[in-house]
Amino acid sequence: QLQLQESGPGLVKPSETLSLTCTVSGGSISSSSYYWGWIRQPPGKGLEWIGSIYYSGSTYYNPSLKSRVTISVDTSKNQFSLKLSSVTAADTAVYYCIYSNDAFDIWGQGTMVTVSS
Amino acid sequence: EIVLTQSPATLSLSPGERATLSCRASQSVSSYLAWYQQKPGQAPRLLIYDASNRATGIPARFSGSGSGTDFTLTISSLEPEDFAVYYCQQRSNWPPEYTFGQGTKLEIK
Repeated sequence: QLQLQESGPGLVKPSETLSLTCTVSGGSISSSSYYWGWIRQPPGKGLEWIGSIYYSGSTYYNPSLKSRVTISVDTSKNQFSLKLSSVTAADTAVYYCIYSNDAFDIWGQGTMVTVSS
Repeated sequence: EIVLTQSPATLSLSPGERATLSCRASQSVSSYLAWYQQKPGQAPRLLIYDASNRATGIPARFSGSGSGTDFTLTISSLEPEDFAVYYCQQRSNWPPEYTFGQGTKLEIK
């Protein structure tokens, strides 16, 4: 069964770049017709889609974050990653990596990232 | 951007009762509407996709309906484990963009 696990620093300084990795187990990240992505949830608030990467390599980002976001895949490690630049306190959230087929089918457990000096 | 509005914000019911949650889109999303359940400290779980299809392993008491701009999630008879926050989510056709509703908290009365 497919499982996702986020990893990365839990604390990032303002103006720096947030970098997270999602490790996929139980399946190949290069399988066709699926896509991978990131969603975040600020403490006590709702869900926000950050972006997705298709098996073809095409990426799609939330317009409100597009200028700061990069999502990429490393097929050799069966991982995909998120980079969010120029972070502020507003980027403090639980970040989830997701696998999409029908919708956001499988979620990682989430990792809390705090932006603070 | 398509805005999803969920109602009510909070729904107070007792186990065994029927729950009806609403999600309204600011413009048509066809049938590209999904529902998720989130319990405290946990990641959301996909319940319904394409408006009315249950995800793998989801009990039959959960059902979804609607198309266009008005959608409903129905839980036919509430179990104690169903009390949680529920989110709807849409996908715009092209380019792919996704938005969530603000959530409905289903609490025990």
